[in-house]
Amino acid sequence: ETGVTQSPTHLIKTRGQQVTLRCSSQSGHNTVSWYQQALGQGPQFIFQYYREEENGRGNFPPRFSGLQFPNYSSELNVNALELDDSALYLCASSLGLAGSNEQFFGPGTRLTVL
Amino acid sequence: DQQVKQNSPSLSVQEGRISILNCDYTNSMFDYFLWYKKYPAEGPTFLISISSIKDKNEDGRFTVFLNKSAKHLSLHIVPSQPGDSAVYFCAASAEGGSEKLVFGKGTKLTVNP
Repeated sequence: ETGVTQSPTHLIKTRGQQVTLRCSSQSGHNTVSWYQQALGQGPQFIFQYYREEENGRGNFPPRFSGLQFPNYSSELNVNALELDDSALYLCASSLGLAGSNEQFFGPGTRLTVL
Repeated sequence: DQQVKQNSPSLSVQEGRISILNCDYTNSMFDYFLWYKKYPAEGPTFLISISSIKDKNEDGRFTVFLNKSAKHLSLHIVPSQPGDSAVYFCAASAEGGSEKLVFGKGTKLTVNP
């Protein structure tokens, strides 16, 4: 069973640029959630995709967007990068939408915006 | 407005003793609570959970207690081992909505040999 993988591991961008982060779900999982973890903070929910449709969004501006593909892998896109976007971006996959379903996290992508 | 609060940024205990990590929440709609453990350079890994219909859940050395009236939960680790040293996140979710997890800021546990 393959776990959740994310790419790239680290990324450095400059303010105003755009970035795409990728996530491969654990085998059999149809739900992907993305989280932003700033330094010294807990993960903060960005949005969730279920069967290729957005299913819930946290308090993030529209320049944070995402996609889920038929194989349930996912992308997080951030436009017009700001310094405060520097964080660890985590994706988590699960099976179904029940709040009690365990979410399996990937190792994250560390984004630095200069 | 932090809905899930972990007021102790760090905790240090001796190997073999009990570790108690605390978490408070404000949203009464939360009905499912989880603890995640995170090592450096890894994603959070699920440790233990509890539904609001219970007040205790045990899994080996790990026990979670829930006090709904106080909106408080705690994670007990007995006995603590050096390998338990990690950051522990408390998280909560509301059934019937999305799987959105609301996390606390975490508590860094150090277990000294």
